[in-house]
Order: sequence, then structure tokens, then C-alpha cells
Amino acid sequence: DTGVSQDPRHKITKRGQNVTFRCDPISEHNRLYWYRQTLGQGPEFLTYFQNEAQLEKSRLLSDRFSAERPKGSFSTLEIQRTEQGDSAMYLCASSLALAENNEQFFGPGTRLTVL
Amino acid sequence: AQSVSQHNHHVILSEAASLELGCNYSYGGTVNLFWYVQYPGQHLQLLLKYFSGDPLVKGIKGFEAEFIKSKFSFNLRKPSVQWSDTAEYFCAVILTSGTYKYIFGTGTRLKVLA
Repeated sequence: DTGVSQDPRHKITKRGQNVTFRCDPISEHNRLYWYRQTLGQGPEFLTYFQNEAQLEKSRLLSDRFSAERPKGSFSTLEIQRTEQGDSAMYLCASSLALAENNEQFFGPGTRLTVL
Repeated sequence: AQSVSQHNHHVILSEAASLELGCNYSYGGTVNLFWYVQYPGQHLQLLLKYFSGDPLVKGIKGFEAEFIKSKFSFNLRKPSVQWSDTAEYFCAVILTSGTYKYIFGTGTRLKVLA
């Protein structure tokens, strides 16, 4: 499978715990994005990387959230001291910087439930 | 701030009915426009996209959309829906200056009755 993959697909955790999600983009894609989707809403942008550089972070990304892409390939999103409001689907997408239309390809998402 | 509006939150149609889903965006500059579909339990899939040229674009599964720049709109259409079109549809915009993030609408949940 050459698409975007995310792991885990589901995560249930207790409030206050830390969680980490992983995203593997399409191999030749140098841009990687994280979005969050809550019920009844469209995905909301969290952050994006070009290669290993994190170029933009949304105001939604509080200090408890951190994202990395250390080698410009896979990325991790960590949430520290989870809160019930963090419950959502976390989506990863990737794209090719030289693509004319900037189309992004999405992974299946990680559904987080904070109890 | 830039935003995308989808005015129809829930739509119920019978098979063979025609579909039009509205999408409006607020941004004065150049944009790339997309429609994504999310079938139950599946991830977001691209239906169609517009970035330049003919404002009427055709996508997969018989969908099409028309970009009307003067109205800041990119409405999705299908002349005859099928039960298998039951899904959630999202309009998205990328601003071509600066960042490359998607700005999504809130989505339209379509249910097609057999």
C-alpha cells in the first residue's frame, strides 16, 4: 500500500495521560500536515512540515501538543496531559511541494477517545 | 479570516434525484478548490479539484463542480444520485499564497434513499 498510513487507528486513554500518534506519508511527498476533526465539523488544520521543518502551527495547537518530523519522512503528534476536549479524529495528509494544485492525500486517521 | 461555508448540513434525496451542494469561500486572492467525500468508515477521498482553466470540472463517479469566481462559489453537482453516494461531502480551499493548508467547510451529510 503506497498511501498515507497512520498508527494507531484507535486510541482510548484516561484524562491526564500522554498519547503519541504516528503518520507515514507517501514516500516521495515532502509536505506533511496534521488536522483534527470533531463530530459534525470539517477537518481543522493543526500544523504542517516541509521536509523536517515545521513551518506553521495553528492556534489550536496548545502547548500540550507537539509534532515532529525528524528525518523528513514519518511524523509523530504527541498530546500531553490529555483532556476530554482532545477527543477527536486526528488526520494526517501529505503532498508534493512541486505539485501544481497542492492536492493533499489523507490517511485513515487516528480516533482518540479521552475518558 | 478565510473561511469556507457549506450551507446544506444534511440532505436527503431519493435515488435518481439531482444533487447540488453549495460551497462558498471568503478570500479575495487565488485559490485552489477541492471536493472530498468520506464514505462511512473510510478516509477522505478526492472527488474533484480546480486550480485553473475551465471552471467546470468533472470528477469521479459522475460528479462535477463549477467555479464561479464572481460569487466565490464552487458548487458540487450530480445529475442522478445513487444509494452508494450516501456519504459526507467536504469542500476545501487552499490559498495559493503563503501556506498550503486546507480550509475545510463543515461538511454536508448526504443520505440517498433506495
